Amino acid sequence: DGGITQSPKYLFRKEGQNVTLSCEQNLNHDAMYWYRQDPGQGLRLIYYSQIVNDFQKGDIAEGYSVSREKKESFPLTVTSAQKNPTAFYLCASKPGTGANYGYTFGSGTRLTVV
Amino acid sequence: GQNIDQPTEMTATEGAIVQINCTYQTSGFNGLFWYQQHAGEAPTFLSYNVLDGLEEKGRFSSFLSRSKGYSYLLLKELQMKDSASYLCAVRDGRDDKIIFGKGTRLHILP
Repeated sequence: DGGITQSPKYLFRKEGQNVTLSCEQNLNHDAMYWYRQDPGQGLRLIYYSQIVNDFQKGDIAEGYSVSREKKESFPLTVTSAQKNPTAFYLCASKPGTGANYGYTFGSGTRLTVV
Repeated sequence: GQNIDQPTEMTATEGAIVQINCTYQTSGFNGLFWYQQHAGEAPTFLSYNVLDGLEEKGRFSSFLSRSKGYSYLLLKELQMKDSASYLCAVRDGRDDKIIFGKGTRLHILP
């Protein structure tokens, strides 16, 4: 079955440490996205990639980094520069630009800084 | 700039009908989505409107008026499992990004 897999589901990090969240899809989708969700804030776009080896900053990219070396993988690194990293992180994909499809979402990773 | 407004919370009774409104201001509008999100889970796709009018899909319908920057999601024959957040999202055709509203938490009472 095709889909998006995010791992781990829960992640705890010590303050000052970098951590990488995994996102893998086998849908053959070109475009992939990372969102952050906080209570009462809705989904905010961190980074997105419309093609392999290319990505763009979203609205809240500071303190985050990404790579897109393979079509199926779009990992997100939360660096120590991110001031308030505790949140629910969602990865999404869709077939490509201009397609009249919504996103397919992964099940999310809940990151807690301790 | 882009702005999406929807009510923060709504309450309705099992078996009833509820309408969740969404207003938006955006440049390059190219479609509006509705998603359902249960607590702690990923959003799931409900509907997509790009032309004015009503799209019906079972118990759920979605309406769009582009001239008014307005959409609503209509849920009929409410069930307890419909208790969730409903996210309105708009696609910007200039860069193909999808911008989400803050969501409406719907509580269903027995």
